[in-house]
Amino acid sequence: DTAVSQTPKYLVTQMGNDKSIKCEQNLGHDTMYWYKQDSKKFLKIMFSYNNKELIINETVPNRFSPKSPDKAHLNLHINSLELGDSAVYFCASSQLDFSYEQYFGPGTRLTVT
Amino acid sequence: DQQVKQNSPSLSVQEGRISILNCDYTNSMFDYFLWYKKYPAEGPTFLISISSIKDKNEDGRFTVFLNKSAKHLSLHIVPSQPGDSAVYFCAASQGYGQNFVFGPGTRLSVLP
Repeated sequence: DTAVSQTPKYLVTQMGNDKSIKCEQNLGHDTMYWYKQDSKKFLKIMFSYNNKELIINETVPNRFSPKSPDKAHLNLHINSLELGDSAVYFCASSQLDFSYEQYFGPGTRLTVT
Repeated sequence: DQQVKQNSPSLSVQEGRISILNCDYTNSMFDYFLWYKKYPAEGPTFLISISSIKDKNEDGRFTVFLNKSAKHLSLHIVPSQPGDSAVYFCAASQGYGQNFVFGPGTRLSVLP
C-alpha cells in the first residue's frame, strides 16, 4: 500500500504546453509539499499546503500552481512549460508543518523538449 | 548559493566497514539537521535527525555527529551493509517548522 503516490512517473512534453502532476497520500497527514530536484540534484521546496491553505511559496514562477481538492491530494499544475522546467518533481507529506519526518512520493521525471 | 554542501558525490565502502558521509553548511542560523536516504526510482526516506543542542544522535547502526563551530555534520554507518547502498541527502533548517535546505547528495556503494 503506497503511502504517497504520484502520477505520472514520467512525463515528456513540448515547450508551451500545460501539464499536471497528481499526488495522493493515504497517511492522513495534514501537510503536503512539492519539491523540485534540479539537474545538480538539489532538492528545493516549491510549495506546501496545510488544510487547503498555502503556507509557503519559494518564489517559484507563477506558471506553477498547486491545487488541493482535499486533504489527501495536492496536484501541481504547470502552464506554458519551458525547457528549464525539466527536472524530477517530488511530492511529500507530513503530520505537522515541516516535520522532519516527511514521506516522499517516488517522483515524476518531467522532460520538456 | 549552496547553503548545504556535500562535497563527495560518491563513496565506496567494503561491507562490514564504517561509512562516513560528510555535510557542511554555511548558514549559522541553521539549528536542525537531518539525513534522508534515497533508493533509485523511489522518493527520499527520513533516516535520522539532530538538533543543535546535541552533538551526537544515534539510532542503531546510524550515528549523526554535529560540530557547530565547524558547521559540519557527518553520518556514520557501522557496520555498512549492501542494502545501505543509496544516495544520502543532508538537510538543514532554521528550527523546527521551518523550510529545509537540502544538499546535493552523496551516492554510497557498499561492496560485498
